[in-house]
Amino acid sequence: GEDVEQSLFLSVREGDSSVINCTYTDSSSTYLYWYKQEPGAGLQLLTYIFSNMDMKQDQRLTVLLNKKDKHLSLRIADTQTGDSAIYFCAERGPSGGYQKVTFGTGTKLQVIP
Amino acid sequence: KAGVTQTPRYLIKTRGQQVTLSCSPISGHRSVSWYQQTPGQGLQFLFEYFSETQRNKGNFPGRFSGRQFSNSRSEMNVSTLELGDSALYLCASRGTGDTEAFFGQGTRLTVV
Repeated sequence: GEDVEQSLFLSVREGDSSVINCTYTDSSSTYLYWYKQEPGAGLQLLTYIFSNMDMKQDQRLTVLLNKKDKHLSLRIADTQTGDSAIYFCAERGPSGGYQKVTFGTGTKLQVIP
Repeated sequence: KAGVTQTPRYLIKTRGQQVTLSCSPISGHRSVSWYQQTPGQGLQFLFEYFSETQRNKGNFPGRFSGRQFSNSRSEMNVSTLELGDSALYLCASRGTGDTEAFFGQGTRLTVV
């Protein structure tokens, strides 16, 4: 079945760049997502990338996709304390249904002032 | 427009009881998915409904069930609750052809 893995924890200083990594196993993934979850809240979609792209930039966020290695990363430039949250990588494949999305375990980002 | 609304936000039940959680999707969205989030297992897919039909189901026991009404509102039911069912239950809705799924704030269920 599909599997998505992330490191559990990342700590950075305010103003530095953060890079959160993710690997996945489903080679037929169509979309890959990054979600943010703040304490006590649901998931907020930050950005997504279609599987035929290798990079997408959206303001402070840059997503890199290496489809050959099945590796996805999220870079947050100029990280702020408000970026402290759990970040989930997720993939959606054509198999298993229309909206079945498999999530990673989440990476807790701690931003040190 | 209003977001995805889940009720109740918090719930405490005892083992053996049953519980029903509700999700109202964004107006016009016909697809609703449910997820269970626990510290140990992360986010796991429960099921997805589209136009009142279950379209996909995750690997959960039959105690977990759901349904969707003609107005796209969805409910999930867990019977014979176990301590391990304590979790944050998240609902997401999506419009036809949309890439993005919008999540509600979740219902935190505690089983004691």
